[in-house]
Amino acid sequence: NAGVTQTPKFQVLKTGQSMTLQCAQDMNHNSMYWYRQDPGMGLRLIYYSASEGTTDKGEVPNGYNVSRLNKREFSLRLESAAPSQTSVYFCASSEGASGGARDTQYFGPGTRLTVL
Amino acid sequence: GEDVEQSLFLSVREGDSSVINCTYTDSSSTYLYWYKQEPGAGLQLLTYIFSNMDMKQDQRLTVLLNKKDKHLSLRIADTQTGDSAIYFCAESKPSNTGKLIFGQGTTLQVKP
Repeated sequence: NAGVTQTPKFQVLKTGQSMTLQCAQDMNHNSMYWYRQDPGMGLRLIYYSASEGTTDKGEVPNGYNVSRLNKREFSLRLESAAPSQTSVYFCASSEGASGGARDTQYFGPGTRLTVL
Repeated sequence: GEDVEQSLFLSVREGDSSVINCTYTDSSSTYLYWYKQEPGAGLQLLTYIFSNMDMKQDQRLTVLLNKKDKHLSLRIADTQTGDSAIYFCAESKPSNTGKLIFGQGTTLQVKP
């Protein structure tokens, strides 16, 4: 069981370039999430997918798009990267979206993105 | 409101107890969580407590919940240098989204 995996681990982009961050989970979880982490700001939710086939905006969705490719995979796309998107990006998954213990989220190791 | 607040930094000596505090604003929260983040790594679930409980103990970790004051704390007994990390509290609410609201994180520094 690998849990939640993310690729790549590190990435440097130039302003205006595009890229897709990949996330996969092997725990048969229904819900998946993308966060960004910036110093002193904790974790901020970008987008989430409560179940396969659905996606919703989180707290900071501007400049990002997501795709829930299937139950296992949830990708995050930056169409035109900006220096303000320099951050560490974390993917997470949870068993179910029910407001209970099934909301416990399990995190990937993160992608460190720098936009020059 | 959806604010979860934590102090940003705590420094303790090895062997002492550490107490990390968290306040939240939403009384409808159902579960409250503590996560640990070591340098360069993702968040690791430490423990969680259901909102109708006052206390939960797991080896060196003790979670206390004061629902009236909306205050959550994590006590680490006999703190070790390996406990140095950022600790996040988070709350979940009755919903069908599974979203968690995270605090800013408390950096725990353990001095030898």
